[in-house]
Amino acid sequence: QQQVKQSPQSLIVQKGGISIINCAYENTAFDYFPWYQQFPGKGPALLIAIRPDVSEKKEGRFTISFNKSAKQFSLHIMDSQPGDSATYFCAASTGNQFYFGTGTSLTVIP
Amino acid sequence: KAGVTQTPRYLIKTRGQQVTLSCSPISGHRSVSWYQQTPGQGLQFLFEYFSETQRNKGNFPGRFSGRQFSNSRSEMNVSTLELGDSALYLCASSLFLRATGDTGELFFGEGSRLTVL
Repeated sequence: QQQVKQSPQSLIVQKGGISIINCAYENTAFDYFPWYQQFPGKGPALLIAIRPDVSEKKEGRFTISFNKSAKQFSLHIMDSQPGDSATYFCAASTGNQFYFGTGTSLTVIP
Repeated sequence: KAGVTQTPRYLIKTRGQQVTLSCSPISGHRSVSWYQQTPGQGLQFLFEYFSETQRNKGNFPGRFSGRQFSNSRSEMNVSTLELGDSALYLCASSLFLRATGDTGELFFGEGSRLTVL
């Protein structure tokens, strides 16, 4: 059973556009929601993370929106660039156990 | 500061064989987790070790096992390999067992890509 559901599976965006990736969870015990970025041949790396006591967190062009009542959170990439082309994973954790979404392959077309 | 190092990076095995993968965490990190990454399934949690003790285990058969040494280095072993075990196996280290209020960021290695023929 997938603890964190992620969509879409793949996403193609024009350079300068907004990329939006959505995730949903059920377990209300989750208290930490990170997003990881993975380039081909590399391991995932932390991009941005949020706790459920805030509704939004912004770091540069990357923003997490968090809706605690709906148990959903999303990643927005503003002004998407070809260098953002990668696979993105959302995750949720309680304690030291992390549950990852199935990933979104983002392609930004120049 | 050196990152998480995984060896070997690539390996090919045949069904029925066993394999051992190694992970050296970032210096000072005491928690090591293992994940299996396959297309369409994302990252599936295998197990986590802290101070040589397995703290958490995912929903994988007993053919998957691991251990952690006193220097925090970790190994995972898969016995009686099956075709479905072909995957990228990722090791992640973190500074400590995450308590409420700590970020517990995971630092991933580049993975060991296992192909079972």
